[in-house]
Amino acid sequence: AQKITQTQPGMFVQEKEAVTLDCTYDTSDPSYGLFWYKQPSSGEMIFLIYQGSYDQQNATEGRYSLNFQKARKSANLVISASQLGDSAMYFCAMREGGYQKVTFGTGTKLQVIP
Amino acid sequence: EPEVTQTPSHQVTQMGQEVILRCVPISNHLYFYWYRQILGQKVEFLVSFYNNEISEKSEIFDDQFSVERPDGSNFTLKIRSTKLEDSAMYFCASSEAGLAGSRRTDTQYFGPGTRLTVL
Repeated sequence: AQKITQTQPGMFVQEKEAVTLDCTYDTSDPSYGLFWYKQPSSGEMIFLIYQGSYDQQNATEGRYSLNFQKARKSANLVISASQLGDSAMYFCAMREGGYQKVTFGTGTKLQVIP
Repeated sequence: EPEVTQTPSHQVTQMGQEVILRCVPISNHLYFYWYRQILGQKVEFLVSFYNNEISEKSEIFDDQFSVERPDGSNFTLKIRSTKLEDSAMYFCASSEAGLAGSRRTDTQYFGPGTRLTVL
C-alpha cells in the first residue's frame, strides 16, 4: 500500500484564489510528521509546512495552511491568495516514528493562471 | 537563513565511471540524508547518516553507493561504477534531529540538487 497518496496529478487555480491540494497517508505508527515541499521548475525542494501527529492545531506558515484530519488520515495543503510564483510541483511527505527517511507522494503540479 | 549547499549542480559522466557528489549540510544539524529523483518520478530515500555512520538505508543503496563525512562540514555520496539508470537528480538534506515531534527538529531541509547524467 502507498504510504502517501496524492490523487491530483495537476491543478489549475486563478491568481488570488485559494487552492487545496489533497494528501492522504497510511501509517499505524502513532508518532509521525507530515510535510509539504514545493519543487519549482528549477528543481530545488523547498520546505513549506510541517504537522506533527500530536499537534492539536493545524499548522500555518504565512499563506500556507495544513488541514490535518487525523481520523481520516488526510493532510491537505491550502494555499491562500495564489500567486504566479506558486506554480510548481507540490509534494506531500511523511516521516514515521522510528525511521529517519521521509516518504514522498507522487506530487501535484499546480499552475496559477493570471 | 542557513541552507544546504551541493556541488556540482550538474555532473555528466560515462557509464562505469566513479562520481562523488558533495554537500554541505546546515551547520548545527546532526542528521544527513541523500535522496534521488529520477526525471518525472517521485523522490526516493537512499540513506541517512548520523554520528559518522549509516543509520538507515533503502534497497536502492547497494554496494555501489557509499557515503562519508570527510571533515566537519562536508558530506559526500560516492557512486563507484555508474550505470545509465543512475541518471537522476540527487538531493542532500539535513535535519537537526531524528523524529522528536517538532518542526524545528524533524524537518529535513534539502539542497538544490545535483543533476547526474550518465552517458
